[in-house]
Amino acid sequence: DAGITQSPRHKVTETGTPVTLRCHQTENHRYMYWYRQDPGHGLRLIHYSYGVKDTDKGEVSDGYSVSRSKTEDFLLTLESATSSQTSVYFCAISGRTGSSYEQYFGPGTRLTVT
Amino acid sequence: GESVGLHLPTLSVQEGDNSIINCAYSNSASDYFIWYKQESGKGPQFIIDIRSNMDKRQGQRVTVLLNKTVKHLSLQIAATQPGDSAVYFCADHSRAAGNKLTFGGGTRVLVKP
Repeated sequence: DAGITQSPRHKVTETGTPVTLRCHQTENHRYMYWYRQDPGHGLRLIHYSYGVKDTDKGEVSDGYSVSRSKTEDFLLTLESATSSQTSVYFCAISGRTGSSYEQYFGPGTRLTVT
Repeated sequence: GESVGLHLPTLSVQEGDNSIINCAYSNSASDYFIWYKQESGKGPQFIIDIRSNMDKRQGQRVTVLLNKTVKHLSLQIAATQPGDSAVYFCADHSRAAGNKLTFGGGTRVLVKP
């Protein structure tokens, strides 16, 4: 998985609790992304980062926040988890070499909100 | 809004036959395309990419064809094997999107022995 790890890999939490997912990379890539994957919706971008402390919203950012204090770590926080946030979350990284925009994905985190 | 999509949600293929997975895109400004393979329980894995100034690119057992006239992208897998069973996604990039990709919904390929 191109030097990308995600933790935890599985989590069950209750509605209303905060949850933080961690993405860690060893590739020193500049760009990092958080996606969610749901049946019928494919991969949807939540937030992304283009450098330390530089982040921006994706298409489904409501209810999520992110932080990147180090190149290697990108944290996704669900401020108050809801059942609609039950999903599989993928982190991706990109080194953006030349005109290639290839992204490499982590193994995913399956989150269930009860 | 503009998006990348797929024609067929499921494709059943006999082992040894060739597979063709199709993708239609609507953004005429897209300049780069990628195909990903996702096996059950895993993250998407890069297969092959193609830039908009090309119409064909070949990899190991895979070929991507790009037809900009009709905004169509296809992935051909030669001599399909059981290990090719997975969901395949196309994704595209445009300058307006910065360093983000737009993903299609995915096509599931089932290889029959």
